[in-house]
Formats: sequence, structure tokens, C-alpha cells
Amino acid sequence: GENVGLHLPTLSVQEGDNSIINCAYSNSASDYFIWYKQESGKGPQFIIDIRSNMDKRQGQRVTVLLNKTVKHLSLQIAATQPGDSAVYFCADISGGSYIPTFGRGTSLIVHP
Amino acid sequence: DGGITQSPKYLFRKEGQNVTLSCEQNLNHDAMYWYRQDPGQGLRLIYYSQIVNDFQKGDIAEGYSVSREKKESFPLTVTSAQKNPTAFYLCASSIDPIGEKLFFGSGTQLSVL
Repeated sequence: GENVGLHLPTLSVQEGDNSIINCAYSNSASDYFIWYKQESGKGPQFIIDIRSNMDKRQGQRVTVLLNKTVKHLSLQIAATQPGDSAVYFCADISGGSYIPTFGRGTSLIVHP
Repeated sequence: DGGITQSPKYLFRKEGQNVTLSCEQNLNHDAMYWYRQDPGQGLRLIYYSQIVNDFQKGDIAEGYSVSREKKESFPLTVTSAQKNPTAFYLCASSIDPIGEKLFFGSGTQLSVL
């Protein structure tokens, strides 16, 4: 399958700022996208998902935007806190495989 | 509490030795997965099982073996054929064979002595 990639490996922000983590995908058949958060030494945790029939979905302090025209996905974190420091992965699933493919991840560093 | 448990947290392998990583879930999930994570890299799929007594190779299955004799258990054996086994291994499960919303264990760090 095709890989999901990320634009930036590391993102540093100040506490209280908004963070935007980007993800590019290449599989036009992908129809479901997920963001995971991985804290140091732990397994990834589900944050939020979005289906290809939507272009925006909001959770608690997080928003995922999907632009199918340019095959781009972003995760926005409002009022970033030190506890948000982690590696963030996007993953996609295409209808044919049902197996998520993960990108490399972006390390978010939040400075107090 | 329901969850997915991996053990041990740290494991050391000698040359030519096979080692087995344990993964148990009490979430009653149908599907289970093994991923390998190298520093600064994403997750790469080793094996997955969508139903008991069935499993499929992922992208990097060479040097690994699995079994799925019980719904709650999906052990991974790293064989001596895997020449570069040092990595962080993650087990995950999903409620159905469509891999949406994976639940991950806390991982096993495997190192070579």
C-alpha cells in the first residue's frame, strides 16, 4: 500500500499557543483517517478520526481538517499544554485493506 | 478494567535465540496486530489477525512468527532469522476486522545482548 507521510518531524510551541500538525497522504482510495498520540515509552492512543465524506471534525481542544483535493490532513490543538508533548501519528485506511498505515510521526514539544 | 497487556516491558535476546513477546486483551476484540517501531520512525506492521485461528503477514513479517489460538492472546516470536530485532514492539487490537480505532498495549523494548 501507499504510505502516509508527515511534513514536519518536530514542532515546538509555547504553552497556550495553538498547534497545527500536518499530514500528507497519497492513496486516493483512503477513506478513513485517524490521529494517534504517543507519549514517551507508551503505546499510541486514539485522539480523533474523520471519514472522507467530511472535511472537519472537532473534539475536545482538537480539530481535524481533511482536504481531499490536495490529500492533506491536519490536527489542530487549541491552547497547547505541556501534557500535549508527545509524538503524533496520522494513519489512513482504504476500503480495500482495512489495515491502518501509519506515517513517521511528528514530535510536539510544548515549552512552559 | 478492560485493556491490552504486553509483557515483558523489557526483553534481551542472545544471538541465535528465539524470544516470545506476550500480548493479551480482555476487550473481546476480534482483531489483533503487531507493529514494530524503530527510533524516529513510524509503525510498521509485522502480522495481524482478524479472527481466531487466522493471521496474515504484514509488511515486515520475515523473521517473525505468531499464533492466534485464543481470541484474547496473540503472541509474537522473534526468531533467530530476524537479524536486526532491536526495536520497540507494539501490540494492538480493534473491535472488528476493520482496523478503525486501535487500542495499543504499552509496548515491549527488545534489545540484543
